Amino acid sequence: AQKVTQAQTEISVVEKEDVTLDCVYETRDTTYYLFWYKQPPSGELVFLIRRNSFDEQNEISGRYSWNFQKSTSSFNFTITASQVVDSAVYFCALSEASGNTGKLIFGQGTTLQVKP
Amino acid sequence: DSGVTQTPKHLITATGQRVTLRCSPRSGDLSVYWYQQSLDQGLQFLIQYYNGEERAKGNILERFSAQQFPDLHSELNLSSLELGDSALYFCASSVGGQGMTDTQYFGPGTRLTVL
Repeated sequence: AQKVTQAQTEISVVEKEDVTLDCVYETRDTTYYLFWYKQPPSGELVFLIRRNSFDEQNEISGRYSWNFQKSTSSFNFTITASQVVDSAVYFCALSEASGNTGKLIFGQGTTLQVKP
Repeated sequence: DSGVTQTPKHLITATGQRVTLRCSPRSGDLSVYWYQQSLDQGLQFLIQYYNGEERAKGNILERFSAQQFPDLHSELNLSSLELGDSALYFCASSVGGQGMTDTQYFGPGTRLTVL
């Protein structure tokens, strides 16, 4: 069965701390895509990254980095030197190639609070 | 700004009523998705349309229906509303190619409150 688990419901850090958000997924597909979205207090969902199952290279974008490990079915997200503007709910999502629909299966989200 | 527009932003209505949520996808996108975000269920996929045709159905109630028009905008119709239908409804769009697993960009959402 397809499933995404974000075990951390809430994380609170002080500005400039590094923080890692965990994401574990389940799928029987060999071809799938993983995503991270950010939902700031204003409510919209902002796309952060898309990674396919054949590309296990870690990715860095500014203060953001992602660690994809197929062996542990994890796709973790690290924010380095966190800032107050990073406060948001972060969602990890899975899309399976079979079925040819693209529907996203979301985790429950992790609320990140960055305190000044 | 993702380029996906949704109207209205807020909607307050009473139980038993019917409402229509509207979504305009990004220019060039053929695929439209609807999702519901509620406190107890989280973010759930409802339905997908691709170039006017229904492509996939998720946890969508029979009281809900959707369609995608020739100009590619989509509407989600919610009828016989219940208190539990109160939620944030998102529309997302994508190009629709690449096996339908390309990136979905989300609109700002419509917050529905059923009293």
